[in-house]
Amino acid sequence: QKEVEQDPGPLSVPEGAIVSLNCTYSNSAFQYFMWYRQYSRKGPELLMYTYSSGNKEDGRFTAQVDKSSKYISLFIRDSQPSDSATYLCAMIKTSYDKVIFGPGTSLSVIP
Amino acid sequence: DAGVIQSPRHEVTEMGQEVTLRCKPISGHDYLFWYRQTMMRGLELLIYFNNNVPIDDSGMPEDRFSAKMPNASFSTLKIQPSEPRDSAVYFCASRAGTSDHEQFFGPGTRLTVL
Repeated sequence: QKEVEQDPGPLSVPEGAIVSLNCTYSNSAFQYFMWYRQYSRKGPELLMYTYSSGNKEDGRFTAQVDKSSKYISLFIRDSQPSDSATYLCAMIKTSYDKVIFGPGTSLSVIP
Repeated sequence: DAGVIQSPRHEVTEMGQEVTLRCKPISGHDYLFWYRQTMMRGLELLIYFNNNVPIDDSGMPEDRFSAKMPNASFSTLKIQPSEPRDSAVYFCASRAGTSDHEQFFGPGTRLTVL
């Protein structure tokens, strides 16, 4: 079993839809959770970062962490064509550890 | 700041040739990471440095891969000899320190080994 699992998609939604992206993980030692966005032929860039369980909102994006279920989510409201990208979840145990990335979910938002 | 700089952006080479990928991290960042990304395996960490010292090279696939960081502003990833299965996009990333988890990725080097 991989440490971090993520549905690769592709996921295709109409503009304006609410998008839900999810990751599961196996190691309960993970404490810091991140979502990176990667546009085609570009490097990943940090989108959201959360520590421990709970929700964090930033504009149209909400990150949710449920440590008891080892499950994290990213919600995108009012999705736009510019949101079309691959979304990678990432997590880390402590500040001194390496980041473990999920395989990524490809999202297309159709105008 | 220009961000993380990688060169070359594209590299096409023949099996058996030596390949050298280069990276300039963001000035002031203490950590430097080399990743490889493929459709099959996703984003894999190969090696990372802290203050120019290699900390974890457990992701380096085999002895054909080597990485150096001679100073705070330059790192190389070398593959010798290269094989077709090394074809991938190689990313370099840097990070400011342990209190900041954000990694800043370069644009990547797309390597094709024929």
